[in-house]
Amino acid sequence: QQPVQSPQAVILREGEDAVINCSSSKALYSVHWYRQKHGEAPVFLMILLKGGEQKGHDKISASFNEKKQQSSLYLTASQLSYSGTYFCGTEGPNTNAGKSTFGDGTTLTVKP
Amino acid sequence: KAGVTQTPRYLIKTRGQQVTLSCSPISGHRSVSWYQQTPGQGLQFLFEYFSETQRNKGNFPGRFSGRQFSNSRSEMNVSTLELGDSALYLCASSLESTGNEQFFGPGTRLTVL
Repeated sequence: QQPVQSPQAVILREGEDAVINCSSSKALYSVHWYRQKHGEAPVFLMILLKGGEQKGHDKISASFNEKKQQSSLYLTASQLSYSGTYFCGTEGPNTNAGKSTFGDGTTLTVKP
Repeated sequence: KAGVTQTPRYLIKTRGQQVTLSCSPISGHRSVSWYQQTPGQGLQFLFEYFSETQRNKGNFPGRFSGRQFSNSRSEMNVSTLELGDSALYLCASSLESTGNEQFFGPGTRLTVL
């Protein structure tokens, strides 16, 4: 079952912050985040493996709440280059190892 | 390191034909996953291969098949093409099967007429 992402779309001005959420109805082993620009392949942003793990680089960070089966991606002080569609991908525990299920994506538009 | 490569980049086929797509993973990566991407359906998991074995399969009909070779290169085959098979087919490679970031190739854009 695919994870549910929210919101579906968000429009920001440069410098504003955004949060994208990813929820699953099943137990999760890991959560991946990707950004895809129009006409390009998805690009890996980060992976979270442990419940409660938080990661970040530059001004993009993410958290993973294993108990709630949720992950959130935080974009702070957004830049024009952040525009694109963000996907979360989830992996279940061992029985579903190697099978990544993606949400429908969140389209982020950053305007000057 | 060279990235994931996919060939061909574009394909036009007619209904009923079959097609074979190829994916060369990043050197050293043993896992290759295939995805179908369409505007209305997002990224749909097709299957994953690890060390020449299919580990997982998504909810696609048997017309979709794949294989992986000893050098980790993978092919995906779609037989008896239907109009609804028109999509961007992406492959992604990772070091291991689970818990590793996936690196996507540029995709093969398949159009079925």
